Amino acid sequence: DSGVTQTPKHLITATGQRVTLRCSPRSGDLSVYWYQQSLDQGLQFLIQYYNGEERAKGNILERFSAQQFPDLHSELNLSSLELGDSALYFCASSVRDGIEAFFGQGTRLTVV
Amino acid sequence: SNSVKQTGQITVSEGASVTMNCTYTSTGYPTLFWYVEYPSKPLQLLQRETMENSKNFGGGNIKDKNSPIVKYSVQVSDSAVYYCLLGPPSYGYCEKSGGSNYKLTFGKGTLLTVNP
Repeated sequence: DSGVTQTPKHLITATGQRVTLRCSPRSGDLSVYWYQQSLDQGLQFLIQYYNGEERAKGNILERFSAQQFPDLHSELNLSSLELGDSALYFCASSVRDGIEAFFGQGTRLTVV
Repeated sequence: SNSVKQTGQITVSEGASVTMNCTYTSTGYPTLFWYVEYPSKPLQLLQRETMENSKNFGGGNIKDKNSPIVKYSVQVSDSAVYYCLLGPPSYGYCEKSGGSNYKLTFGKGTLLTVNP
């Protein structure tokens, strides 16, 4: 158990809908990272938050947004969903940049 | 921009030694992480290579833009997907790398299959 909790584990929704994925980092970790894993693109970094502030941005679409709350949990909001958004979304956390990050088990999103 | 390349698939027999390559383009002196993904398990960290500890790892090193991972005497249970991740420089090399604003970049992964 990595200590990073993601909910829900599975999500099925229709095109055009909006969903929220939740991540609880390990106790004491200030950084939260979001990644998307799809068959064609592999693992892609989406966005990083550090202690509530956006720290780094990767290949995150404008339809997607994230935030980190004062209790350090994070949410990834995906809106106007398309079939191509079906993927496994991972959250990871670390104490700070440049050291190991611990990954959650992921949320599998299926858009139908 | 950063990019990471990994060998797609490697198949070996139990007991063999395996080197999985990770070559990359980036500026400065990044940190290279190796993660392993077993079915239905979270990604787990295997190795973290920085400029400070680069000499401890076999094969190439960060200056060569090559950070392989070597596994000796592999078992069937080592069959998994191995990912290389390009990350920000360690603290001592942050300034030399022009700051720590690195875009975290994963390679596409190496599928290691170990046959009995």
